[in-house]
Amino acid sequence: DGGITQSPKYLFRKEGQNVTLSCEQNLNHDAMYWYRQDPGQGLRLIYYSQIVNDFQKGDIAEGYSVSREKKESFPLTVTSAQKNPTAFYLCASSMGQGPQGEQYFGPGTRLTVT
Amino acid sequence: AQTVTQSQPEMSVQEAETVTLSCTYDTSESNYYLFWYKQPPSRQMILVIRQEAYKQQNATENRFSVNFQKAAKSFSLKISDSQLGDTAMYFCAFSAYSGAGSYQLTFGKGTKLSVIP
Repeated sequence: DGGITQSPKYLFRKEGQNVTLSCEQNLNHDAMYWYRQDPGQGLRLIYYSQIVNDFQKGDIAEGYSVSREKKESFPLTVTSAQKNPTAFYLCASSMGQGPQGEQYFGPGTRLTVT
Repeated sequence: AQTVTQSQPEMSVQEAETVTLSCTYDTSESNYYLFWYKQPPSRQMILVIRQEAYKQQNATENRFSVNFQKAAKSFSLKISDSQLGDTAMYFCAFSAYSGAGSYQLTFGKGTKLSVIP
């Protein structure tokens, strides 16, 4: 089955530790995205990548980093510099540029930092 | 910058009844797309329906339809014959050119819909 996988579903970390969230897609999509979802805030864009080895900051990139070494993979690292990292994180992909590019979403990762 | 506003944080509807969720947006773009996404309790985001701005005809997908008023920048979602499985958060989203050769989705804050048996 084609789709997007995110692992793990739940992740717990101590404050001050970096943590990497996995996102893999087998849809052969060019573009991938990371969103953060907080209660009452909708989805906010963290980073996106239109092509391998290239990515751009979204609206709330501070305290996060990404890489795009393979078309299928777009991992997100939540660094210790992120002041409020506890949230639900969604990864998405789309076929490419253009407003008709419907985004397909993974099941999400719930990160809790204490 | 584009903005998307959903003015109804929560709504409820009786099973088998019809409900309309509101969405307004602000943009200076002429070419764009609008979407409604559904997020059930499982938190999996699912596309419900899309509308192309240059098409005057309102999109429909089975029990879901939109009322797209381009001049008013309004994009409401109507759910007919509501079912218990329609209980979810519904997000309105807007896609247009955002600079540097890229297009991005801008989401509203969502409307929580509860279908009551």
